Amino acid sequence: DSGVTQTPKHLITATGQRVTLRCSPRSGDLSVYWYQQSLDQGLQFLIQYYNGEERAKGNILERFSAQQFPDLHSELNLSSLELGDSALYFCASSVEPLRSAEAFFGQGTRLTVV
Amino acid sequence: GDSVTQMEGPVTLSEEAFLTINCTYTATGYPSLFWYVQYPGEGLQLLLKATKADDKGSNKGFEATYRKETTSFHLEKGSVQVSDSAVYFCALSAPSNDYKLSFGAGTTVTVRA
Repeated sequence: DSGVTQTPKHLITATGQRVTLRCSPRSGDLSVYWYQQSLDQGLQFLIQYYNGEERAKGNILERFSAQQFPDLHSELNLSSLELGDSALYFCASSVEPLRSAEAFFGQGTRLTVV
Repeated sequence: GDSVTQMEGPVTLSEEAFLTINCTYTATGYPSLFWYVQYPGEGLQLLLKATKADDKGSNKGFEATYRKETTSFHLEKGSVQVSDSAVYFCALSAPSNDYKLSFGAGTTVTVRA
């Protein structure tokens, strides 16, 4: 158990809908990272937060947004969903923002858009 | 930009066989290199890492050596077990990329008893 909790584990929704994925980081970790894992794109970095502030942005679509709350949990919001958004979404956390390699990963949320 | 290219799978082996997964990288400056493992139904776990040239990372019988001259970080294990069946990802992080992890495509390894 990495200590990073993601909910829900599975999500099935229709095109055009909006979903929210939730991540609770390890106790004491201030930095949260979101990754998308798909068959055609592999593992892509989406966005990083540190202590409530956006720290770095990767290949995140404009239809997607994220935030980190005062209690340090984070949410990834995906809207106007398309079939191609079907993927495994991982959250990771680390103590420091510039040490992403020491991040611990959650088990992921599998999103299926139908 | 920084990138990682790793051997395509899937790879199927018998127990006690020797495993090699090739990984090469392109990066500005001196990246740190990593191997992550993803067991079925789980998130990624850091398997081993090397932060400078000629460093050897090792864990659970796996080894990889940071070769600057060939820009490689090949993963090896001398005798695999069924429990090593997983997806393996090579990754790098570098100050030029704000230490974000860049992953390879992943290699699926299946070990048969």
